[in-house]
Amino acid sequence: GENVEQHPSTLSVQEGDSAVIKCTYSDSASNYFPWYKQELGKGPQLIIDIRSNVGEKKDQRIAVTLNKTAKHFSLHITETQPEDSAVYFCAAGRDDKIIFGKGTRLHILP
Amino acid sequence: DSGVTQTPKHLITATGQRVTLRCSPRSGDLSVYWYQQSLDQGLQFLIQYYNGEERAKGNILERFSAQQFPDLHSELNLSSLELGDSALYFCASSVQSTGDNEQFFGPGTRLTVL
Repeated sequence: GENVEQHPSTLSVQEGDSAVIKCTYSDSASNYFPWYKQELGKGPQLIIDIRSNVGEKKDQRIAVTLNKTAKHFSLHITETQPEDSAVYFCAAGRDDKIIFGKGTRLHILP
Repeated sequence: DSGVTQTPKHLITATGQRVTLRCSPRSGDLSVYWYQQSLDQGLQFLIQYYNGEERAKGNILERFSAQQFPDLHSELNLSSLELGDSALYFCASSVQSTGDNEQFFGPGTRLTVL
């Protein structure tokens, strides 16, 4: 069946450095690719999303890139800060379903 | 605050019991999703309702059931509970029924089965 693979499962970066999380999806009909951030004790919250007609989207320190041919998309966080520490989920959605990756636990080291 | 509310926050019960988790979606959202989150298991989609009707089904066990009421709140019923059912259960809502729209997640219900 369709799935979304997310790597790495855990990522530690020095404060101020960049972090990159990658996802691949199998369903070529997917057209919506959101990223959610889950802080400790809270529900996931959308931080950025991209649709299939766009290759890249940026919002301040966060950017997402999409390669539809290769069926992969990535989240880039620049100038990381302590408040970026959280679990990040990617997902691939289409009209009748959305599938989440297993998550990446990001640690920002002081 | 996403605008989605879930009750209770915590639930501790014994194996074999039955519990009901409640979710109120954001005002105006017609779609409600239920997810299970276990340690290192990501977000497992259970079931979706749209305007009172079941829209999609994921990896939901037969011991679990859900419904969405006319006021659009939803309940997830878990019966014959097993130790492995211990997890965080999230409800999310969205305006439309399709999977290509933002979902707003509630704070979750932590279920512990002893």
